[in-house]
Amino acid sequence: TQLLEQSPQFLSIQEGENLTVYCNSSSVFSSLQWYRQEPGEGPVLLVTVVTGGEVKKLKRLTFQFGDARKDSSLHITAAQPGDTGLYLCAVLWRGTSYGKLTFGQGTILTVHP
Amino acid sequence: GAGVSQSPRYKVAKRGQDVALRCDPISGHVSLFWYQQALGQGPEFLTYFQNEAQLDKSGLPSDRFFAERPEGSVSTLKIQRTQQEDSAVYLCASRRGGSYNEQFFGPGTRLTVL
Repeated sequence: TQLLEQSPQFLSIQEGENLTVYCNSSSVFSSLQWYRQEPGEGPVLLVTVVTGGEVKKLKRLTFQFGDARKDSSLHITAAQPGDTGLYLCAVLWRGTSYGKLTFGQGTILTVHP
Repeated sequence: GAGVSQSPRYKVAKRGQDVALRCDPISGHVSLFWYQQALGQGPEFLTYFQNEAQLDKSGLPSDRFFAERPEGSVSTLKIQRTQQEDSAVYLCASRRGGSYNEQFFGPGTRLTVL
């Protein structure tokens, strides 16, 4: 059973469209992270959300942490081809003290010009 | 400054061969992680080092996988008698210290076992 469920698994859209990616779990987390990974590269941290209901914006990207801290969403406005990549949510696994990350299975986003 | 580097970037091995994958973390980073990533999937934890001590190896898939970090800097992930199911991208990440600090990932080594 996946600790984190991401949806959709694949997303193919045209430049200029808006999109939302979801990350859901039955567990409560103290914080949640979103990463973007381009082909041939490692994941790069986009944002960390900590407070239930928190909304963070990063240019055209809007991140929200659910009120109950069990889920999160990533919304991209006016997508561009440069947004293409694998989007991953991750949480710090509470069973350890050293900050082991557990990732969702990811959403593969393709933005066509 | 330099980020996390990994070598080789690509490795093709025949089934049964041994491979060694190298990770050079960011200088001064105490924590080092290895992850395995299947194509189009999220990374999965393999093992964790704090300086030279391997504190968690619970994610290593089998006893064919071995990791070391003898001087607390460079780390090597070794896979003995490779199998086709070992084909994946192996990512290394380092962190300055403290569980809530950011992990910085290297570009990964893509291992293909034929």
